[in-house]
Amino acid sequence: ETVLTQSPATLSLSPGERATLSCRASQTVGSYLAWYQQKPGQAPRLLISVASNRATGIPARFAGSGSGTDFTLTISSLEPEDFAVYFCQQRTNWPPTFGQGTRLEIK
Amino acid sequence: EVQLLESGGGLVQPGGSLKLSCAASALSFNTYAMSWVRQAPGRGLEWVAGLSPAGGTTYYADSVKGRFTISRDNSKNTLYLQMSSLRAEDTAIYFCAKDDPSEGTFDYWGQGTLVTVSS
Repeated sequence: ETVLTQSPATLSLSPGERATLSCRASQTVGSYLAWYQQKPGQAPRLLISVASNRATGIPARFAGSGSGTDFTLTISSLEPEDFAVYFCQQRTNWPPTFGQGTRLEIK
Repeated sequence: EVQLLESGGGLVQPGGSLKLSCAASALSFNTYAMSWVRQAPGRGLEWVAGLSPAGGTTYYADSVKGRFTISRDNSKNTLYLQMSSLRAEDTAIYFCAKDDPSEGTFDYWGQGTLVTVSS
């Protein structure tokens, strides 16, 4: 199966700062890489599909990029509500797999 | 707004069985593939099973194949997961999710139901 490795495991930043999260695939997934945000006690929420398409209602400060095996989620200026866990996910290769997550915490 | 509401979780002994349900609303349920995704306590996400819109094609993770059965009743807008031969490692929150195969994502999720396998 395709292993997705996210880094860093934890990212400590302050509101207003820029966050850069990485997701690396063990084999190419083309552009079919998605990002989700999960807050405690909640279901994951789709942020980005096909590497760079923001889902409905997602603010423009969230941007995805990359293709093949290396992908990045950038949050341009952190808002208090952005501190959460972020997961990447692929379905190009069977079975669908998720990364282990990056915890974005307030510094 | 699309809503998915899971139910049926609880405490079950190892080797036991449990059936989860996911009721969908504000969704043309019979036109979408659906999946179950689980999350062990404090852990990441694991896709468990998927089902085609009409229910004729099923997919399973190797970790549950032969023990879990995914099904749906389109007349009731409801997705099911029958779990048997449960193990401690099946302990998790189970989410149902709507598939978007054109983009390879799970675009709507329920709030989840907790399954605890313990003696």
